[in-house]
Amino acid sequence: EAQVTQNPRYLITVTGKKLTVTCSQNMNHEYMSWYRQDPGLGLRQIYYSMNVEVTDKGDVPEGYKVSRKEKRNFPLILESPSPNQTSLYFCASRSRAGGNTIYFGEGSWLTVV
Amino acid sequence: SQQGEEDPQALSIQEGENATMNCSYKTSINNLQWYRQNSGRGLVHLILIRSNEREKHSGRLRVTLDTSKKSSSLLITASRAADTASYFCATDITSGTYKYIFGTGTRLKVLA
Repeated sequence: EAQVTQNPRYLITVTGKKLTVTCSQNMNHEYMSWYRQDPGLGLRQIYYSMNVEVTDKGDVPEGYKVSRKEKRNFPLILESPSPNQTSLYFCASRSRAGGNTIYFGEGSWLTVV
Repeated sequence: SQQGEEDPQALSIQEGENATMNCSYKTSINNLQWYRQNSGRGLVHLILIRSNEREKHSGRLRVTLDTSKKSSSLLITASRAADTASYFCATDITSGTYKYIFGTGTRLKVLA
């Protein structure tokens, strides 16, 4: 079954404590991306990757890091989380061919206190 | 600002009625997609329309695209309570990079 799997699904953490949200896809997709979703702002792209070792900033990259060492994995790293990073995060992937469906993970609810 | 802006922000209708949602965007696109999101869950692809298409159907869904007005509409006919969800448009801008931009969404509530 085609899947994008993110973990953890729910996390409450404290300001400044580094955390990583993992993302894995089993569809051999080249493109992967991270979004955050906030009320009234829709989905905003944080980072994206066009292939292994190729990453670039999206619209709201501040405070986040990513890496793409393997094709299937695209972890999101919050080095020093702050309360304004409290949000619902989605990992997504799609094939290189233009126009293909974007597959989303189920989301990770992150609260920073 | 967002590339895609959905209108209305929220819509409440009775079961059996049709629901129409609109999306406007700013720059040239290769294609436009519509996605559905059940509360707090991941987005699910509904339908894609290419820039050279004007209308597309899929079951109870009808999508139109007007590139001259940079707008698209999603029509759900004979709505059901299970259609209650948020609906987002996503545009693939013609920059050659992987860049899909999502709108802010329309929250649809279908009353039984």
